[in-house]
Amino acid sequence: GESVGLHLPTLSVQEGDNSIINCAYSNSASDYFIWYKQESGKGPQFIIDIRSNMDKRQGQRVTVLLNKTVKHLSLQIAATQPGDSAVYFCADLYGQNFVFGPGTRLSVLP
Amino acid sequence: ETGVTQSPTHLIKTRGQQVTLRCSSQSGHNTVSWYQQALGQGPQFIFQYYREEENGRGNFPPRFSGLQFPNYSSELNVNALELDDSALYLCASSLGGQYQETQYFGPGTRLLVL
Repeated sequence: GESVGLHLPTLSVQEGDNSIINCAYSNSASDYFIWYKQESGKGPQFIIDIRSNMDKRQGQRVTVLLNKTVKHLSLQIAATQPGDSAVYFCADLYGQNFVFGPGTRLSVLP
Repeated sequence: ETGVTQSPTHLIKTRGQQVTLRCSSQSGHNTVSWYQQALGQGPQFIFQYYREEENGRGNFPPRFSGLQFPNYSSELNVNALELDDSALYLCASSLGGQYQETQYFGPGTRLLVL
């Protein structure tokens, strides 16, 4: 079956540095992708989305890049803050629903 | 806050029992999806309800069933609970139909099966 995965299970960055979280997807027909942030004990929180007709989309301190050629998605967080510490999931719309990868834990070091 | 609420927040059951989890969708949303999230893993899709009809199902056995009500709230029922059913159960609401939109998640119900 189709799956969405992440390259790195954990990522540690210094406060103030930029973070890059990567994701690979396998379904070439996917046309909608979302990044979610999940803090301990909470449900996933929407961060940013992108459709397949775009290569880049920017939000507040976050940027998502989509490379359809290699089926790769990345989330860039500028000036990472302690509040950014969480698990980040990419999700790929497959049929009626989103397929989630296992997640990347982002730890922000003081 | 997404406006999606779930109850209860925590639940402890024993193997073989049945459980019902509830979800109220965000105002204006007509679609509810349910996910199971085991510890340390990403959410896995159970099923989706759109306008009171099942609109897709993941790889879960029939003992996982659901309902959606006219106000678009939803229930997830699990019969004959097994130890492996212990997980965080998440519901997500969206404005569905032909064009899938972003799903917004509730805080989840943590189920422990002993």
